[in-house]
Amino acid sequence: NAGVTQTPKFQVLKTGQSMTLQCAQDMNHNSMYWYRQDPGMGLRLIYYSASEGTTDKGEVPNGYNVSRLNKREFSLRLESAAPSQTSVYFCATRLVGASYEQYFGPGTRLTVT
Amino acid sequence: QQQVKQSPQSLIVQKGGISIINCAYENTAFDYFPWYQQFPGKGPALLIAIRPDVSEKKEGRFTISFNKSAKQFSLHIMDSQPGDSATYFCAASLSGSARQLTFGSGTQLTVLP
Repeated sequence: NAGVTQTPKFQVLKTGQSMTLQCAQDMNHNSMYWYRQDPGMGLRLIYYSASEGTTDKGEVPNGYNVSRLNKREFSLRLESAAPSQTSVYFCATRLVGASYEQYFGPGTRLTVT
Repeated sequence: QQQVKQSPQSLIVQKGGISIINCAYENTAFDYFPWYQQFPGKGPALLIAIRPDVSEKKEGRFTISFNKSAKQFSLHIMDSQPGDSATYFCAASLSGSARQLTFGSGTQLTVLP
């Protein structure tokens, strides 16, 4: 089992370019989350999907969109990247009803120049 | 708005010593308080967690102390080892189907050999 996988691992964008970060899980978890991690600020929730077919905004959703493609996949899209979106992005999943633990992927390091 | 405040930002401890990291929260509706451990280049992983109906939880060398009246909780690492060197995040969660986590800003722990 791969657990939570994220692609790409690294990406450099120019201001104004768009891209999609991919997240996939093989744990049959219901809920999926996107966080960004910045120095001194911990992890901040961008968007989440409590279950397949639903998505909701988190703490810092501006500049991002998400798609819960199916139960396994949850993508994060930057339509017009800005330098302020330079960060490390983590996807996480949780099995509803089993525990409150979230399982994190390895992250995508994004630089916007 | 930072609802979970974490200190210190960095901590250096000698091997065999006790590491203590503190967190304070504002929202009394939080009902689940986990600590996550993150090694460089990896995603965070759950270390230990507590519910507010208990004042202490111990797992091996790791202990959470919880003070509901003060709205504070802390992580104690006994007999700290160089392998414990990592970034530690406290977090808090509200009830609900998504169980979103609000993270503290993180503490970088270095255990000297």
